[in-house]
Amino acid sequence: LAKTTQPISMDSYEGQEVNITCSHNNIATNDYITWYQQFPSQGPRFIIQGYKTKVKNEVASLFIPADRKSSTLSLPRVSLSDTAVYYCLVHFDKIIFGKGTRLHILP
Amino acid sequence: GAVVSQHPSRVICKSGTSVKIECRSLDFQATTMFWYRQFPKKSLMLMATSNEGSKATYEQGVEKDKFLINHASLTLSTLTVTSAHPEDSSFYICSAKAGAGARTDTQYFGPGTRLTVL
Repeated sequence: LAKTTQPISMDSYEGQEVNITCSHNNIATNDYITWYQQFPSQGPRFIIQGYKTKVKNEVASLFIPADRKSSTLSLPRVSLSDTAVYYCLVHFDKIIFGKGTRLHILP
Repeated sequence: GAVVSQHPSRVICKSGTSVKIECRSLDFQATTMFWYRQFPKKSLMLMATSNEGSKATYEQGVEKDKFLINHASLTLSTLTVTSAHPEDSSFYICSAKAGAGARTDTQYFGPGTRLTVL
């Protein structure tokens, strides 16, 4: 199973764009990249999933370079309610969670 | 769409009793469901993979006789914590795969169940 490395924590301000980069040097050909958000005492919430290049949805964008050894989750114009833990996951079948990034949005 | 529910949301029980937690996919059929546990300030730890109509596959170190998993239908999986002890107190979260059965289908998570064993 590919191992991911992401910042333990990040701080940003309301209205800013936040980019969280995840390294996954050992990603396999069949692996997908998925990001989840988790608030305290809640289950993880799906944000976005991609295989290569760029993916965008109504809440975030995911940038994946050609070598797929990293990925960047981009959250546009964050608000206080985006304070949460963000998990970068690389998987083909079952999902194994890493430590995640604690994002703290300041007013 | 893709909503997963869990019941109960929180449960308190006495040491030695058994507790059943239900996980339901409300608007899709899930051939595969997963069970995780999470301790405070820690990440989710995968306990087992549950496939409809077959025995669950447990991760290394998870006692299959203590954590009984049943996946009797395409929308319901249950986790029973048998003879619960205080060290079993944790946040239990299930997830279900939505899609046509591909391995990379998106997993959607339930809201979690807080178990406290006295």
